Amino acid sequence: SQQGEEDPQALSIQEGENATMNCSYKTSINNLQWYRQNSGRGLVHLILIRSNEREKHSGRLRVTLDTSKKSSSLLITASRAADTASYFCATARLAGGGADGLTFGKGTHLIIQP
Amino acid sequence: EPEVTQTPSHQVTQMGQEVILRCVPISNHLYFYWYRQILGQKVEFLVSFYNNEISEKSEIFDDQFSVERPDGSNFTLKIRSTKLEDSAMYFCASTRLGGTDTQYFGPGTRLTVL
Repeated sequence: SQQGEEDPQALSIQEGENATMNCSYKTSINNLQWYRQNSGRGLVHLILIRSNEREKHSGRLRVTLDTSKKSSSLLITASRAADTASYFCATARLAGGGADGLTFGKGTHLIIQP
Repeated sequence: EPEVTQTPSHQVTQMGQEVILRCVPISNHLYFYWYRQILGQKVEFLVSFYNNEISEKSEIFDDQFSVERPDGSNFTLKIRSTKLEDSAMYFCASTRLGGTDTQYFGPGTRLTVL
């Protein structure tokens, strides 16, 4: 698998349900960031979690990080139709220089059925 | 809230032509990046720029590509002789503190090479 791989690739749930997406990575990281992308649009930053953090919350979003398993999860609670989008995790290398680029996964396409 | 802007939103060009994609990063940010996303694929890092020089670059960023910060606000990506496979969405991003910091992305420029 590649650095920053999300699963599932696609997820369809009913409005109001919770959505969970997972991300796995290979190298040691400084931080992991989650982004949302609406079809054909730009990347919207959702949350950054550092390697020494285990869980972080932002509104309806909850992100966990398990560095021993090299994995992260994004939970969206009480989903809304507007949450329909692709979600990507992206990692910044631990040993990277100050201007290291992020390594993105292939993303999870989330569809919220009204 | 400050944001990264990019122009144009869509550029159509003929194979072999030169294109310049423009970005205005967030004003107090010091690190600048270009990424690309081929349709249906994941976001790929191209290059990072700090202190008026390239800091990191990926294998994709070959001699056909160049970046420049011509003044205090703009950050440009030039593709010297476009190929069909350069067709993609190109995203600019910036951060204040580099690899440990949130990367904020612009809305992207969709480049179509005919």
